[in-house]
Parts: sequence; C-alpha cells; structure tokens
Amino acid sequence: AQRVTQPEKLLSVFKGAPVELKCNYSYSGSPELFWYVQYSRQRLQLLLRHISRESIKGFTADLNKGETSFHLKKPFAQEEDSAMYYCALGAISNFGNEKLTFGTGTRLTIIP
Amino acid sequence: NAGVMQNPRHLVRRRGQEARLRCSPMKGHSHVYWYRQLPEEGLKFMVYLQKENIIDESGMPKERFSAEFPKEGPSILRIQQVVRGDSAAYFCASSPPSRGPMNTEAFFGQGTRLTVV
Repeated sequence: AQRVTQPEKLLSVFKGAPVELKCNYSYSGSPELFWYVQYSRQRLQLLLRHISRESIKGFTADLNKGETSFHLKKPFAQEEDSAMYYCALGAISNFGNEKLTFGTGTRLTIIP
Repeated sequence: NAGVMQNPRHLVRRRGQEARLRCSPMKGHSHVYWYRQLPEEGLKFMVYLQKENIIDESGMPKERFSAEFPKEGPSILRIQQVVRGDSAAYFCASSPPSRGPMNTEAFFGQGTRLTVV
C-alpha cells in the first residue's frame, strides 16, 4: 500500500528566507509525485508534478528515490506563498485508474 | 468554464438522517473522484466514477455510503443514516478522458463540509 508522510503540520518562515516542505513516501512501484496547494478560501490546485520537472512560482521539487522523498523548495519565500501544501502520490489501481494518496498537509506561514 | 462545482458548501445533518453531496464536473470531464478529509488527516480516496459506471470504490465504507454519476446531471455521494464520525470535508475532483494514466490533472471542487450533530 502507498503512504505519504508530511512530518510538519505547521511551518513558519520569514519573508526572503528559504523554504523546504518535507514529503516522504512509501510505494513498491514506480511513483508519480505531486504537490498541491490550497490558498485561503480557494480550492485545491496542482502546484507541480515531478514528471514535468518544472519550476512553478519559484518552487521546485526533486524526486529522490533513494531517500523516497519529494521535498518542496523555494529559495526566497514570499508572503503570497502562505497556504496549505499537500504532497500526493499517484499510483495505478487494480482497476486501471490513477489514484492519488495525499499526505496530511503542511500549513506554511510567511512572516513579513 | 466555472470549474468543478460542489454543493452545498456546508451541510448539517442530525444523526440518522441522509446526506446528499453533489458534484458537477468541469465541462468535458467524464471522470469524477471523491475524497474525504477527516479532521487532522489528509485527503483519502473514496471512489472513482465515469459516466454511469463505478470504476473503483475501494475507498468507500462498505455500508451506508454510495455514489453515482448518471448520464445527465451531477455526481452524487450519498450517506445514509449519518453518524458523528461522518463529519468531514468531502472533495470532488474531475478530469477529462486521459491518454493514459498519470497524464491528466485532476481539478478539485471547493468541498462540502458535513457536520453531523
């Protein structure tokens, strides 16, 4: 069975400081990892996915299969980054559909 | 395109009543997923439906919960005889027909917060 662990429930960072949100996973197959973000009063939306190797809003995440991690990083935090962040693992179910397993989320607060 | 619409946003039910949660997917999307978020927990997969078909209901509780996605109209998540433990946020996501697994992004609704009193 797949599992996603986000060890930090809350994270506060000063504006301009680097940000790292931790995510570890366990899965026996080849994982697809995602980061979703939920800004205040908005819906959950995809931030980035490891397969595309993009940098979105200055955030990057590298899949480390050796450490089974997919930490989200940004070199310089901005106030608008304050939000709830969810790491998710995609796997194919026995029925052939993609199923996302989410972590419990990390609430990031940027201190002005 | 208005995005995935869920209603109601908030629903209060007494123990033993029925709860009906609706999800209208984005235009052109034929795949719907339901997730449940209990307090202090992550989103947990419940069920995956395509039009008129339940494909994967491995995350659905065995009793009292059912889901449908009819040919016309929204997808419905139905909880019969609700109990306090059903209090949670229920999220719906939709995606278009995919070219293959993992190739599409799921778009989420704003969720329905169910409170059982």
